[in-house]
Amino acid sequence: DAGVIQSPRHEVTEMGQEVTLRCKPISGHDYLFWYRQTMMRGLELLIYFNNNVPIDDSGMPEDRFSAKMPNASFSTLKIQPSEPRDSAVYFCASSLTGRYGYTFGSGTRLTVV
Amino acid sequence: AQTVTQSQPEMSVQEAETVTLSCTYDTSESDYYLFWYKQPPSRQMILVIRQEAYKQQNATENRFSVNFQKAAKSFSLKISDSQLGDAAMYFCAYRSAVTGGTSYGKLTFGQGTILTVHP
Repeated sequence: DAGVIQSPRHEVTEMGQEVTLRCKPISGHDYLFWYRQTMMRGLELLIYFNNNVPIDDSGMPEDRFSAKMPNASFSTLKIQPSEPRDSAVYFCASSLTGRYGYTFGSGTRLTVV
Repeated sequence: AQTVTQSQPEMSVQEAETVTLSCTYDTSESDYYLFWYKQPPSRQMILVIRQEAYKQQNATENRFSVNFQKAAKSFSLKISDSQLGDAAMYFCAYRSAVTGGTSYGKLTFGQGTILTVHP
């Protein structure tokens, strides 16, 4: 099992550009989560899916953020347009049912200049 | 909503000694899970240990053990025989086990404790 795979590992972009982060969950996992980590706010849940359906997106900071899960093996988090305050590490995680800890990807460090 | 509080922003320990990291949480639920995650400088989030709320016995994983006090809503992590590789940020986390609830599936994290291990 390759674990949760995120790409890219690092992303540097200019303010105003569109950014797309990608995640491949562990095969068979039915939950997928997107978290953002910053020094000031710690780990924040942005959105999560169950069986590809968004369940709670109340953590998505603004309409500039959107997430999709077109199938069980792929999800994207898009920021359009990006702003410097979006700079953070973005984690994807997956889980089987609701009773176990998550498995996290290695994260994407996003820098918006 | 559930909250998780780690009151120790930083802790330090000498190699081979024991250290305890504190965590408290607030919930009105009776069925839930608690976790400790480790985040080394590589930033990978690693599950250290898990505790089911309905189990009275404290979980242990090799050198890692917890002191789970359900009534006090306390969940501390004890690291015995500390090693240099234990140096990391440690996060306490809560997950509801109430099926169908609005929080079901969500993992709520504390702010983290940075652990330094001195040789």
